[in-house]
Amino acid sequence: KQEVTQIPAALSVPEGENLVLNCSFTDSAIYNLQWFRQDPGKGLTSLLLIQSSQREQTSGRLNASLDKSSGRSTLYIAASQPGDSATYLCAAASGGSYIPTFGRGTSLIVHP
Amino acid sequence: GAVVSQHPSRVICKSGTSVKIECRSLDFQATTMFWYRQFPKKSLMLMATSNEGSKATYEQGVEKDKFLINHASLTLSTLTVTSAHPEDSSFYICSARGFGGSRVETQYFGPGTRLLVL
Repeated sequence: KQEVTQIPAALSVPEGENLVLNCSFTDSAIYNLQWFRQDPGKGLTSLLLIQSSQREQTSGRLNASLDKSSGRSTLYIAASQPGDSATYLCAAASGGSYIPTFGRGTSLIVHP
Repeated sequence: GAVVSQHPSRVICKSGTSVKIECRSLDFQATTMFWYRQFPKKSLMLMATSNEGSKATYEQGVEKDKFLINHASLTLSTLTVTSAHPEDSSFYICSARGFGGSRVETQYFGPGTRLLVL
């Protein structure tokens, strides 16, 4: 059974810092890995989707990498801003049904 | 991009009543739909998987008679919380899998429904 772990659970940084959020998964036979953002009381916003055959995806200040052999993915946020404050979830889709398994998220606060 | 909608976005009901939540894929056909539940400060837990026209597959520990799922068409799935109790209060998120403008099948998530049972 796939298990997804996210470290750290919480992070508070000053504005402008470059950040790395970590996600690890136990079953390396994944179909894809997705990073989401969730604001308090809101649904999920998909940030980046990395297919099994890819190693990274970029969107603006965000870059996500995937290393299946080590069971890890990282989300890199450049020049963080207060508007980046949210919970970031990663989900690994695996198994015969390719159903995403979610980590518990990293709660990020970027203060001015 | 592909859009998944949920209705209602928030609902407050009395204990003992039933509540229906709709999930629609607006611009693509969903081969499979999923229902997740999220407790405060916890991750999303898969409740069930459903395919159009067939019975839903429930995860271990999820009561199928409590959480009724109907996948009426390739664009609509409903979750009915029957005889709701305060412990059913939660955030329910649906997801639809399909080729929503992508060359590969992808899961798209709805905005969620906040249920509060008094």
